[in-house]
Amino acid sequence: GAVVSQHPSRVICKSGTSVKIECRSLDFQATTMFWYRQFPKQSLMLMATSNEGSKATYEQGVEKDKFLINHASLTLSTLTVTSAHPEDSSFYICSARQTEAFFGQGTRLTVV
Amino acid sequence: EDQVTQSPEALRLQEGESSSLNCSYTVSGLRGLFWYRQDPGKGPEFLFTLYSAGEEKEKERLKATLTKKESFLHITAPKPEDSATYLCAVRDSNFGNEKLTFGTGTRLTIIP
Repeated sequence: GAVVSQHPSRVICKSGTSVKIECRSLDFQATTMFWYRQFPKQSLMLMATSNEGSKATYEQGVEKDKFLINHASLTLSTLTVTSAHPEDSSFYICSARQTEAFFGQGTRLTVV
Repeated sequence: EDQVTQSPEALRLQEGESSSLNCSYTVSGLRGLFWYRQDPGKGPEFLFTLYSAGEEKEKERLKATLTKKESFLHITAPKPEDSATYLCAVRDSNFGNEKLTFGTGTRLTIIP
């Protein structure tokens, strides 16, 4: 299957700082990528749809000024968590679709 | 609103003991039902896509089936390495952005 690479896999940051997570499609071009958030023992919740060359589409209840998404090229989307707080600690996963939706390895964010 | 319900929440089996996982869904128009495997701390790994009632797909010890209301993931003679959380997701034909709605998963443990 297609490969989606996400970096970093783990990050710990101080409250009030910003963190950037990268998502790359390694062997295909993706005009659309998706960002999910997953809490322990819970389902993946779609946060936003990242569109190459245009603004991201955010799901209801997701703060677009807090979770900045940039899709600068057909192989790279980034999610920046701005002014992070402990409640932003979670597992963030990106996805890109070729024939099917393939997922990155996920990023465990811990805000202390 | 699309809904996906998976059962059981957790399942412990002896090695070699076959069983089935259930995924019940409600969508306006199904444009694909997906099964993923997720290991702890990792992103979901694609297993199967089913599109229409009556369709079946197999991969090694796994077989996925689909009806108009639910899907089953049958696992035959499982091995300890099959231990993981299995996620079910649906894509609704009414959503142009190809959004996936996930269930909360079944946590499968195979005991040697």
